[in-house]
Amino acid sequence: DTAVSQTPKYLVTQMGNDKSIKCEQNLGHDTMYWYKQDSKKFLKIMFSYNNKELIINETVPNRFSPKSPDKAHLNLHINSLELGDSAVYFCASTLAGGYQETQYFGPGTRLLVL
Amino acid sequence: AQTVTQSQPEMSVQEAETVTLSCTYDTSESNYYLFWYKQPPSRQMILVIRQEAYKQQNATENRFSVNFQKAAKSFSLKISDSQLGDTAMYFCAFKGGATNKLIFGTGTLLAVQP
Repeated sequence: DTAVSQTPKYLVTQMGNDKSIKCEQNLGHDTMYWYKQDSKKFLKIMFSYNNKELIINETVPNRFSPKSPDKAHLNLHINSLELGDSAVYFCASTLAGGYQETQYFGPGTRLLVL
Repeated sequence: AQTVTQSQPEMSVQEAETVTLSCTYDTSESNYYLFWYKQPPSRQMILVIRQEAYKQQNATENRFSVNFQKAAKSFSLKISDSQLGDTAMYFCAFKGGATNKLIFGTGTLLAVQP
């Protein structure tokens, strides 16, 4: 019973390609996030959706486009991949106003751009 | 803007002993949440413990406890009876204000030695 799942877990691709990462949660949460963890392990928010509506959009290049078809799914599409996009991308979810506002994380997607 | 500082990049502890990881934060919010997440080599982000700022009582979860000093804006994690499985990167995180995003510290890499 995976609570927050991401596909794929690993993604190796060439510069200039377009790729997508998918995230699904079965916790009944209404808010989902994308975080990026760089090579120094620093974690930073990228986007957040609440009930399919974008509520947080940090200073992320517009090559990154999140899409939320419903509140259980949040996908991340990346156009024209660059070397600097290599990182681990984590999806997370929470219930807004829920118990102590805890966020639950997916297993991460390691992206390597060659 | 809120910030989270973890001043110990790496720490080491002998199995069965106690270790304390430090975290300080800066905020002008009066109500907020604080978290410790553990990231073992598997890369999964695992919630260790959480604390609501308005609760004076320090949170405890089995061998894990916090020392929450609101006036000093300090939130340290104590791990008692350290086990080899505690070896991981530990992140302190803050959540407060109008947004739902987590703001992470830079992490402390804890090694438990046999």
